[in-house]
Amino acid sequence: DTGVSQNPRHKITKRGQNVTFRCDPISEHNRLYWYRQTLGQGPEFLTYFQNEAQLEKSRLLSDRFSAERPKGSFSTLEIQRTEQGDSAMYLCASSLVGTQYFGPGTRLLVL
Amino acid sequence: RKEVEQDPGPFNVPEGATVAFNCTYSNSASQSFFWYRQDCRKEPKLLMSVYSSGNEDGRFTAQLNRASQYISLLIRDSKLSDSATYLCVVLSNNLFFGTGTRLTVIP
Repeated sequence: DTGVSQNPRHKITKRGQNVTFRCDPISEHNRLYWYRQTLGQGPEFLTYFQNEAQLEKSRLLSDRFSAERPKGSFSTLEIQRTEQGDSAMYLCASSLVGTQYFGPGTRLLVL
Repeated sequence: RKEVEQDPGPFNVPEGATVAFNCTYSNSASQSFFWYRQDCRKEPKLLMSVYSSGNEDGRFTAQLNRASQYISLLIRDSKLSDSATYLCVVLSNNLFFGTGTRLTVIP
């Protein structure tokens, strides 16, 4: 399968712990996006990379959130000191030009 | 005001029915428009792009009205497998999603 992959698919953590998610985009795609989706809502944009450069960050992305794409290929999203409100599906998408293709998401539950 | 507004539904329709979803967007400078489909607990998948001239893909027809900042999706001859949430998506400086419209096709 050469689509977007994300790991882990599910994560349960206790409040205050740090978590890190990984996204592997479609190999020739230079753009990579992170979104967050809560129940009954559409995905909300968090941040965007073109190659290794992080070009935009939403104001939804608090100081506890950091994303990297060190070699312009895979990306990681870290949440420090998780809060219950961080519970959501974290979706990664990649694109070359135009259409974004989504990974299966990482479902986070903060207890 | 939200970037993209959609009626969340739910829409419950019998098999074979025609159903239409609408959405409005707030940024008149928006560049591209899409409908995505999302099944329960799955990722969104592109259903179709929406072009100014309107476009059709089998049983699905998408329309864009730039003057009214309005996008529509028409599904003809609904199938059980069409049951999903349909997300209206607009590209401005970023990709903005509506809340989605939930469709259930009933046998």
